[in-house]
Amino acid sequence: QKEVEQDPGPLSVPEGAIVSLNCTYSNSAFQYFMWYRQYSRKGPELLMYTYSSGNKEDGRFTAQVDKSSKYISLFIRDSQPSDSATYLCAKPPRGGYNKLIFGAGTRLAVHP
Amino acid sequence: EAQVTQNPRYLITVTGKKLTVTCSQNMNHEYMSWYRQDPGLGLRQIYYSMNVEVTDKGDVPEGYKVSRKEKRNFPLILESPSPNQTSLYFCASSPSPGQGARTGELFFGEGSRLTVL
Repeated sequence: QKEVEQDPGPLSVPEGAIVSLNCTYSNSAFQYFMWYRQYSRKGPELLMYTYSSGNKEDGRFTAQVDKSSKYISLFIRDSQPSDSATYLCAKPPRGGYNKLIFGAGTRLAVHP
Repeated sequence: EAQVTQNPRYLITVTGKKLTVTCSQNMNHEYMSWYRQDPGLGLRQIYYSMNVEVTDKGDVPEGYKVSRKEKRNFPLILESPSPNQTSLYFCASSPSPGQGARTGELFFGEGSRLTVL
């Protein structure tokens, strides 16, 4: 079983919709998670990170961790066409803060 | 402008012809890493370097070599490329915790798409 699993999509939504992107993880022995965003033909960039307790909000984006079900979620409110990208969840393995383990990524398309 | 620069961005080569993908960062980061990205598999780490002259294998190192002679450069070498190395490659760098890093923040280059025929 992969340490981080993510539905690859694609996910297509109309502009203004609330988007929910999800990952599951198998090893709970770490403190935090990250979401990266990757635009087409670009490298990933860090979008948000959150510690393994509760929610973190940043503008239209909310990252949520549910430890009981081992679920990581990213919610996008009032989605915009500029949000169209691939979203990757990531976590560090035990003992390696920057040796990240990435999910496969979910491709999101927001159409006008 | 702070950035990670990879070259070439696109390359088509043939089996067995040695090639090097260069990576350079201008942010004085200590940590550098190479990933490959394949559909359905996501980003997988090939090699990483914690500092100059310190390199270590990632999850998929077979068929690749790296070197870290200078802090800013971290080239990826394919001595004898094979078709299963056809992929999108990303170089990334990160400051160490002592350099004020945001936890887990990697700075990626724009990618190098390699096709091995």
